[in-house]
Amino acid sequence: DQQVKQNSPSLSVQEGRISILNCDYTNSMFDYFLWYKKYPAEGPTFLISISSIKDKNEDGRFTVFLNKSAKHLSLHIVPSQPGDSAVYFCAAVYSGTYKYIFGTGTRLKVLA
Amino acid sequence: NAGVMQNPRHLVRRRGQEARLRCSPVKGHSHVYWYRQLPEEGLKFMVYLQKENIIDESGMPKERFSAEFPKEGPSILRIQQVVRGDSAAYFCASSPGTGMSEAFFGQGTRLTVV
Repeated sequence: DQQVKQNSPSLSVQEGRISILNCDYTNSMFDYFLWYKKYPAEGPTFLISISSIKDKNEDGRFTVFLNKSAKHLSLHIVPSQPGDSAVYFCAAVYSGTYKYIFGTGTRLKVLA
Repeated sequence: NAGVMQNPRHLVRRRGQEARLRCSPVKGHSHVYWYRQLPEEGLKFMVYLQKENIIDESGMPKERFSAEFPKEGPSILRIQQVVRGDSAAYFCASSPGTGMSEAFFGQGTRLTVV
């Protein structure tokens, strides 16, 4: 049972344009969401997070949007840069637990 | 990766041997998680430990796999009698608390069973 889904395995975007990565979840108890970036042969690196009491969180070029009614979150990267090329994982967790549930990842390729 | 150290980075074992993967969490973090990433798949939770305690091992295969996080020293993930299907990247993460906090990951150990 895949509780966190990233339905797009890959995405290509031109440098300077916006990258939008999507994530859907099924468990309404999740109340904290995170995005991680992963380069080949490295561990995931924390990027940005959002609590369920918010619908938007921004950090520089990265913005995460949360739509609780749709059980959907998205990561916007603008402007996209070649160094953003990586696999992006969304993860979800709920209060009082510790089990981060990860999606299967989306491979982003930013074309110069 | 915020100081989580895993070693070795690469480990090759023959079928039937034992594999020991080590993880030193960020200084001051007392919560350790192990995740496994199989080829073309996402990160799958294996086990969550606090110092000297296994809190949740629901993601661990019932046989051959064990984990510990002793009072002193790194966390160890141990796989006995490895099989080809154990080949994967194993990631350790640590956090200062439970739930609503970011977990920081190590660079992983890539286990290859030949």
